[in-house]
Amino acid sequence: AQKVTQAQTEISVVEKEDVTLDCVYETRDTTYYLFWYKQPPSGELVFLIRRNSFDEQNEISGRYSWNFQKSTSSFNFTITASQVVDSAVYFCALNSGYSTLTFGKGTMLLVSP
Amino acid sequence: EAEVAQSPRYKITEKSQAVAFWCDPISGHATLYWYRQILGQGPELLVQFQDESVVDDSQLPKDRFSAERLKGVDSTLKIQPAELGDSAMYLCASSYSRQGGSPLHFGNGTRLTVT
Repeated sequence: AQKVTQAQTEISVVEKEDVTLDCVYETRDTTYYLFWYKQPPSGELVFLIRRNSFDEQNEISGRYSWNFQKSTSSFNFTITASQVVDSAVYFCALNSGYSTLTFGKGTMLLVSP
Repeated sequence: EAEVAQSPRYKITEKSQAVAFWCDPISGHATLYWYRQILGQGPELLVQFQDESVVDDSQLPKDRFSAERLKGVDSTLKIQPAELGDSAMYLCASSYSRQGGSPLHFGNGTRLTVT
């Protein structure tokens, strides 16, 4: 069985602060894929990044960066210099083979001016 | 950029009534998914199609829910009769492939309220 845990239910920061969203996963498969999605108040889920289990390189995209560590089964997401527009619910998700995408419960990020 | 289209955006219905949701995936995406998202939770899969065939409906409450994708393109999800506990966001998604690693692209969802 696959499982994704996002222990942080809600995080509040002030604009320009850095913030890290935690994601811990469980799977028995050796080949798997991890994802982050953003869900703004409007409701749609926006794909942010995919990482496969053989690629442990950290990735940076503008103010966003992702830290994948197989040793701790974690795939954390950091937003640098947060902005009000970053306010949303962020979901970490996992799948492998032909299994369905399993989502965590999400972390609500509130960025205040 | 191509999008997954869903309608209606909002639906209010009384319990025991029938309700239907429609989804048009991104052109060329063979795999289509219906997810249900209860407030404060992550999305949970209801049904997955590969072309016109159902490949996973293990979590679909088949006594009241049905889904079809007759021509392998757009899809309809129906609930009959609706119950109070069905109030949720219903999200449609599509992907190029069933294989793990193929990103899912989601529509805006239908927010259902059952009174």
